[in-house]
Amino acid sequence: SQQGEEDPQALSIQEGENATMNCSYKTSINNLQWYRQNSGRGLVHLILIRSNEREKHSGRLRVTLDTSKKSSSLLITASRAADTASYFCATDATSGTYKYIFGTGTRLKVLA
Amino acid sequence: EAGVTQFPSHSVIEKGQTVTLRCDPISGHDNLYWYRRVMGKEIKFLLHFVKESKQDESGMPNNRFLAERTGGTYSTLKVQPAELEDSGVYFCASSLSETAASGYTFGSGTRLTVV
Repeated sequence: SQQGEEDPQALSIQEGENATMNCSYKTSINNLQWYRQNSGRGLVHLILIRSNEREKHSGRLRVTLDTSKKSSSLLITASRAADTASYFCATDATSGTYKYIFGTGTRLKVLA
Repeated sequence: EAGVTQFPSHSVIEKGQTVTLRCDPISGHDNLYWYRRVMGKEIKFLLHFVKESKQDESGMPNNRFLAERTGGTYSTLKVQPAELEDSGVYFCASSLSETAASGYTFGSGTRLTVV
C-alpha cells in the first residue's frame, strides 16, 4: 500500500455538513501537508502540519496529526459546493529526502 | 511574487508524437520538481533538479521522458514518443530549501491527453 493513503476514497455530502478525510502513512515524517485539486486543475496547498504539532486550524479547515498512529485527518466544516475537489495528503520522510509522497486522494463532492 | 508557471495548461497529442512541457519556477528557487498524476491514481514523484543538475530522477518512468533545466532557470519535460499511458496531469513545484521541510509551491499543472 502507499505512503500517504487517504480514506475514504470518495465522499459525498450535503452543503453545510462537515467533511472528514483521513490519511495514514508509514514512515516517520518531518511534516505532513494537505492539498486540494479541483477537477483538471493544479494542486493548491491547504495546510502544513509539522511532526511536533497535534492540531492546526486555517479558516474552515482543521488538521490533526497523530504521529503515534501515523495518521492525520482533515476536517472541512460547513462545506460549500466550491469545496468539491480531490484532497491529498503528502508526507516527507525524516531521512531528509526532498520528495513528498502523495496518496491517491479523497474525492469530495458537496451537493448544493 | 509570481508563482510557479506551467504551460501549456492542456495538450492533446496523438500516440507517437512528441510533447514538451515547460515549468518556470519561482525566481530564486534552486529546487525544481516534476510530479505527475495518472488518471485516478496517486501523484508520483518524477525527478528533482538543484539548479541545472538532476539530483534524483528515480521516478522517471522510462527513457521516453527527458527533463532538462538549462541554466538552472526554467525546466522542460519532453515525452517522445508519447504513449496512451502517459496521459495525466504533470505538476511542477519549486522550493528554496532542498529538504521537503520547507514545503513546495506547485504550478497549476499541464493536463496531457494522448489519443
